[in-house]
Formats: sequence, C-alpha cells, structure tokens
Amino acid sequence: AQSVTQLDSHVSVSEGTPVLLRCNYSSSYSPSLFWYVQHPNKGLQLLLKYTSAATLVKGINGFEAEFKKSETSFHLTKPSAHMSDAAEYFCVVSKPQAGTALIFGKGTTLSVSS
Amino acid sequence: GAVVSQHPSWVICKSGTSVKIECRSLDFQATTMFWYRQFPKQSLMLMATSNEGSKATYEQGVEKDKFLINHASLTLSTLTVTSAHPEDSSFYICSAKGAQGIAFFGQGTRLTVV
Repeated sequence: AQSVTQLDSHVSVSEGTPVLLRCNYSSSYSPSLFWYVQHPNKGLQLLLKYTSAATLVKGINGFEAEFKKSETSFHLTKPSAHMSDAAEYFCVVSKPQAGTALIFGKGTTLSVSS
Repeated sequence: GAVVSQHPSWVICKSGTSVKIECRSLDFQATTMFWYRQFPKQSLMLMATSNEGSKATYEQGVEKDKFLINHASLTLSTLTVTSAHPEDSSFYICSAKGAQGIAFFGQGTRLTVV
C-alpha cells in the first residue's frame, strides 16, 4: 500500500530564508510522488512531480524536491521564501491500482513572516 | 495548464435533500476522475475513482448509495450527495486525469447541510 507522512504539520520561516518541508513515503511499487500547494480558498496546484527520471526535480516558483530511495524521502525545498509562499503543502503518492489516484499526506502549513 | 471546473463553488442545503456537484475538464478528455473530501484543516481523503462509462470504485468506508458518482462522458463527472445530513458538510474536490497522466484539480465545493 502507498502512503506518505509529512513530518511537520506547521513550518514557520522568515522571508528570504530557506524552506524545508519534509515528506517520507511508503510504497510497494516504484512510486510517483508529487507536491501540491493549496492557497486559502483556492484549488490545488501542482508544484512538481517525480516519476523515476532525475532524482532532483525542479518545480514552479523556485521549489525543488529530491527523491532519496535509501531514505524513502521526498523533501521539498526552496532557497529563499517569499510571503506569497504561505500556504498548505501536500506531499502526494500515486496509487497505481486505482487508475493512479493520488493519496495525500496530512499537509504542512507554511507561514512566512516579514 | 489544463483546467478543471467544479460547480457549484459552495452550496447550502437542508437536511434530507440531495445535492449534485459537477466536475468538468474544459480542455482535455479525462479518462479517469477522482472525488476527494477535505475536512477543515485536514488532508484530502480519496472517496472514489471513476472511469468514463463504468461504475465508480469506492474507497473503504465510503457509502456508494449516499455518494452517487456518474461519469457519463470524457469531460463530465458528477457527485450527488443523497439525503444529506449535517455530518456530510465538507469540502469536496474533484480531480481529472487525461492522457498526459497528470491529475488536475477543481476549485472545490463547500457543502453546508443545515
């Protein structure tokens, strides 16, 4: 079975400092992994995805994530946080048996202070 | 990017009535659509997966007679909450996946049952 664990429910950073949102996964198969962002009262937006190509994945808005099989991790990073990055972030794994439905982690709320 | 339109954005209904939520893929054909439920400050929970022209596959614990899903065409799926009760109040989000293999999300529907 596939699952993801987001290790922090809430992360607070100052504007201009690095962002690290942690995610560990569990999968019986070679997984497809994603990070989605949800801004208040808005829909979900795909930040980036890993599908067994390069282990370092670059996404939109300066975010990137590194797939580490040995650590079963897929942490999301950004060198310098902006105020507009404040949102809810979800680490997601695909579920091959059900037409690649996405299984969501519990989410990490990112707060950015000036 | 691809657009998924969900309607209505919010709805208030009386206990005992039924509510239909529509999910449309506007610029691509969605071979598979997914329905999720999100409780306040919680993650998205997969409710069911539907493929065009076939019956939906429901996740364990989701009542198929209460949450009726119809995927009549490659661009439209509907979720009907039958005989709604206050505990059905939630945020419902649809997702559509096409040939590109990426799932795009609707804006969500906030259902309040009074």
